[in-house]
Amino acid sequence: DAGITQSPRHKVTETGTPVTLRCHQTENHRYMYWYRQDPGHGLRLIHYSYGVKDTDKGEVSDGYSVSRSKTEDFLLTLESATSSQTSVYFCAITGQDNSPLHFGNGTRLTVT
Amino acid sequence: SQQGEEDPQALSIQEGENATMNCSYKTSINNLQWYRQNSGRGLVHLILIRSNEREKHSGRLRVTLDTSKKSSSLLITASRAADTASYFCATWGSTNAGKSTFGDGTTLTVKP
Repeated sequence: DAGITQSPRHKVTETGTPVTLRCHQTENHRYMYWYRQDPGHGLRLIHYSYGVKDTDKGEVSDGYSVSRSKTEDFLLTLESATSSQTSVYFCAITGQDNSPLHFGNGTRLTVT
Repeated sequence: SQQGEEDPQALSIQEGENATMNCSYKTSINNLQWYRQNSGRGLVHLILIRSNEREKHSGRLRVTLDTSKKSSSLLITASRAADTASYFCATWGSTNAGKSTFGDGTTLTVKP
């Protein structure tokens, strides 16, 4: 699927613990995105990156941070996980702004 | 709040029938895209329509865009059981570079 891999696929963690999700791409695409999807809802943008070390906030960025030290990897960190961050997290990539996104298969995160 | 809103939230039809779902948005856009999501998977891009286009076709898919009404529709003709999925519209704005906005989706069930 467009050379994009998310890890882990599933994670259960406790409230207050730090969590890092990884998105890895082999397409050399410039743009990378992190979304969350909650039951019965569409995707909400958390953070995105438009180049190495260039990131910007989305609509639901509170409680999340990101890093992109190289083109192929985009990390999403929950500094102190809360139950409200239980969700399915999707990474997406694209080569150009305004172009179709290619999605990973998601990470299902449960915070207990 | 979500830029795109799909209608209806759920749609159930028989195989062979046509399925129409609608999307409304609030601000000016560069383009609008439709995605499909099968259960437990990431989203898959279906079709992109630019703000200066009114209609676009791809196989059994037909998308229309009315920028005066800020709305779009996705028509799937001669539906198949394999079309069962959730369908999302997403908009790329002219002022929010890099930031797409997804609607909450329409869940389509095609009965064999």
